[in-house]
Formats: sequence, structure tokens, C-alpha cells
Amino acid sequence: KNQVEQSPQSLIILEGKNCTLQCNYTVSPFSNLRWYKQDTGRGPVSLTIMTFSENTKSNGRYTATLDADTKQSSLHITASQLSDSASYICVVSAYTNAGKSTFGDGTTLTVKP
Amino acid sequence: DVKVTQSSRYLVKRTGEKVFLECVQDMDHENMFWYRQDPGLGLRLIYFSYDVKMKEKGDIPEGYSVSREKKERFSLILESASTNQTSMYLCASSSNPPTGNYGYTFGSGTRLTVV
Repeated sequence: KNQVEQSPQSLIILEGKNCTLQCNYTVSPFSNLRWYKQDTGRGPVSLTIMTFSENTKSNGRYTATLDADTKQSSLHITASQLSDSASYICVVSAYTNAGKSTFGDGTTLTVKP
Repeated sequence: DVKVTQSSRYLVKRTGEKVFLECVQDMDHENMFWYRQDPGLGLRLIYFSYDVKMKEKGDIPEGYSVSREKKERFSLILESASTNQTSMYLCASSSNPPTGNYGYTFGSGTRLTVV
């Protein structure tokens, strides 16, 4: 069964600090992995998308890494800001006709001043 | 800017009412999805559609139905609303399969309260 596990479940950091969120998956055959940011009460917004051949991808202060051998991904946030407070969701897709994906439960990040 | 538009941000309905949630996308995507999101449970797939007039059950289809008469529009129907259907409902669309930089595009969500 395809699964995506994220850790930690929640995280509190001080403004300006860095943090790393983890995503482990057992999705096969692997197509791509995406990180989404979801602000409270809003729909998720895509941060990065990575395919099998990509190890690192950046989007401003967000950097995602992918290790396809160990089936692990991380999202690193640099110099955190109060606006980074949100839920971060890891989504992994397999090659299927219907394009269904497997969602992690998310990590809730709180950035405090 | 590509968009998925959900017709309502907030809805309050009474138990037993028939409820329609509408979703429209302008990206010519084949796939459309309806999820519900509850605290501590993440996003759970209700139904999805990979073509006009085609639909498949997701993980929690009970109490819901869907309609896709046109490629750009995917409707979620609560036949007889119940209080346990109070939730955030998210619509998404994707190409088939998700490729490139698009992946899923989500709507802003509809927060439904059934009283």
C-alpha cells in the first residue's frame, strides 16, 4: 500500500531560525514528489515538485531534497518568517492512469517572534 | 494565472438538506478531485474524475455523489447533509498523470458547517 509519512507532526521555532521537515514514502512506481504550503483556512499551494532524477530544488527560502534510493525527502526553510507559519504537506505520485497521489498528514509549523 | 475556483468559501446548511459544491478549473486538466480535510486526519479523497462523465470513488465516498458534465466543472453533492459532514472541502485538478511543474492545483476551499 502506498504511504507517505511526515515528521515531525508539529514544530515551533523562533523567527529567523532554520528548520527541516521530513517526508518518507513507499509509493511505487514513483513519478514525482511535491511539497505544498497550506495557510490556515486556505487551499494548499505548491512549493516545489521533484522528479526521480532531481536531488535538490529551491524556491526562495525553501529548499527540497530528494533521495530516491532511500525514499526520503526533506524541506528546509531558511531564515524563517512569521508568514511561514502553516501546514506543509508532502504529496507523492505514482504513474497511474488516473493520476492519483498519496498525501502525507502534514507538519504544522509555527514561527514565533 | 491558472485557477481552480470553488463557488463558496463558507456555507451553513441544515441537516437533511441537499448541498451542491461547485468547482471550476481553467487549465484544461483531465483529472479533478474532491477532498475533505479534518483536523488530525489530513486530506481524504472523496471522489475523482479522469474524464467527462467518468467518476471513481475515493477513500470516503459514503454520503456523497459527484457530477462532471463538462471538462472544466466538477460538482460534489451531499444528498442529505449530516453534521458529520461538517468539514473543509477542497477541489483540485491535475494533468494526467501529474507532470511538469503543475501537479495538483487546489481551490481555496469551502468550509461547510451542517447544523
